[in-house]
Amino acid sequence: QKEVEQNSGPLSVPEGAIASLNCTYSDRGSQSFFWYRQYSGKSPELIMFIYSNGDKEDGRFTAQLNKASQYVSLLIRDSQPSDSATYLCASQANAGGTSYGKLTFGQGTILTVHP
Amino acid sequence: DTGVSQDPRHKITKRGQNVTFRCDPISEHNRLYWYRQTLGQGPEFLTYFQNEAQLEKSRLLSDRFSAERPKGSFSTLEIQRTEQGDSAMYLCASSTTSRLAGPYGANVLTFGAGSRLTVL
Repeated sequence: QKEVEQNSGPLSVPEGAIASLNCTYSDRGSQSFFWYRQYSGKSPELIMFIYSNGDKEDGRFTAQLNKASQYVSLLIRDSQPSDSATYLCASQANAGGTSYGKLTFGQGTILTVHP
Repeated sequence: DTGVSQDPRHKITKRGQNVTFRCDPISEHNRLYWYRQTLGQGPEFLTYFQNEAQLEKSRLLSDRFSAERPKGSFSTLEIQRTEQGDSAMYLCASSTTSRLAGPYGANVLTFGAGSRLTVL
């Protein structure tokens, strides 16, 4: 079992819809979780991160974390064609400073938003 | 500041040759990371530095791989005796542990554009 697994894609949604991206992790010691967006041929860029159970909102993006279920999700409201990219979920194993930045990534989910 | 720079962007080499990649992080960032990404997969952690000290190296990393950050600024990643399985995108990222960046600033990675290696 991979440490971080993402729902199989690709995911296709119409413009204006809500895109839901899911991720599960196996290491119960994971403390912090990240969503990165990667456009084709480009490097990953951080969208948002979440540390506490519950929801965290930033503009059209909402990250949700449920540590009991070892589940992380990203909702994109009012999806736009420019949101079409690969979305990478990542976890950080420990809360300690020496582990900051050492991330375990999932394989990514390709999202396509069609007009 | 133009972000994280990597050089070369593309490298094609024959099996058995040595290659070296360079990364220039964001100037005020004291942490520098190397990741590797293959097609259809997420980035895989290789190693990281805080200033000039290499603090961790992945157990999966072959001893053919070596990384340095001699003055705490730029870093190099060398792969000796390349194999076809080394073909991948090598990503460099940087972050800062400065208090100005907040308690989790070190987790906010800025990636470079990557160096794509093809081993024939």
